[in-house]
Amino acid sequence: KNEVEQSPQNLTAQEGEFITINCSYSVGISALHWLQQHPGGGIVSLFMLSSGKKKHGRLIATINIQEKHSSLHITASHPRDSAVYICANSGGSNYKLTFGKGTLLTVNP
Amino acid sequence: DVKVTQSSRYLVKRTGEKVFLECVQDMDHENMFWYRQDPGLGLRLIYFSYDVKMKEKGDIPEGYSVSREKKERFSLILESASTNQTSMYLCASSFATMDRVFGYTFGSGTRLTVV
Repeated sequence: KNEVEQSPQNLTAQEGEFITINCSYSVGISALHWLQQHPGGGIVSLFMLSSGKKKHGRLIATINIQEKHSSLHITASHPRDSAVYICANSGGSNYKLTFGKGTLLTVNP
Repeated sequence: DVKVTQSSRYLVKRTGEKVFLECVQDMDHENMFWYRQDPGLGLRLIYFSYDVKMKEKGDIPEGYSVSREKKERFSLILESASTNQTSMYLCASSFATMDRVFGYTFGSGTRLTVV
């Protein structure tokens, strides 16, 4: 069974801090996704990656296939980064994603 | 950009009503999905469809049915709404090759309250 675990569940940071959110999964993947959901908002896809590292602005996602682990980093965090961050992988399925329960990030000014 | 549009942002229905949640995508994606999102439980798959008129049960299909008569539209049906179906409902679409899922795109969600 494909399981996806995220840590931490909750994270509070001061503006400007470097943030890391971790994701571990149990079944080998074809791709891992990082998603963002602002309070009361819809879900936006941030990254899809199957190896190495991807960067978009202040966001960086890395993945280690051998260790079945991915991290999402936010540099120079800002209050507008406050959201729930969710990782998900396909666990070998062509269709379905399995989701972690999410990490609630709060960035205080 | 791919757009996945859900017909309602907020919906309030009475117990026992038949409820239709509509989802439309504009990028010719083969796959469409319905999820519900609940605090502490995360996103759970209700049903998905990989082609017109094709559907498969997800992890929590009980109390729901779906319809996909056209490629761009995927409807979730609550045959007789109950209070435990109060939730945020998210639609998504994607396309897939033999070994990879691409372009996973979510709608903005419908917050359904059953009273």
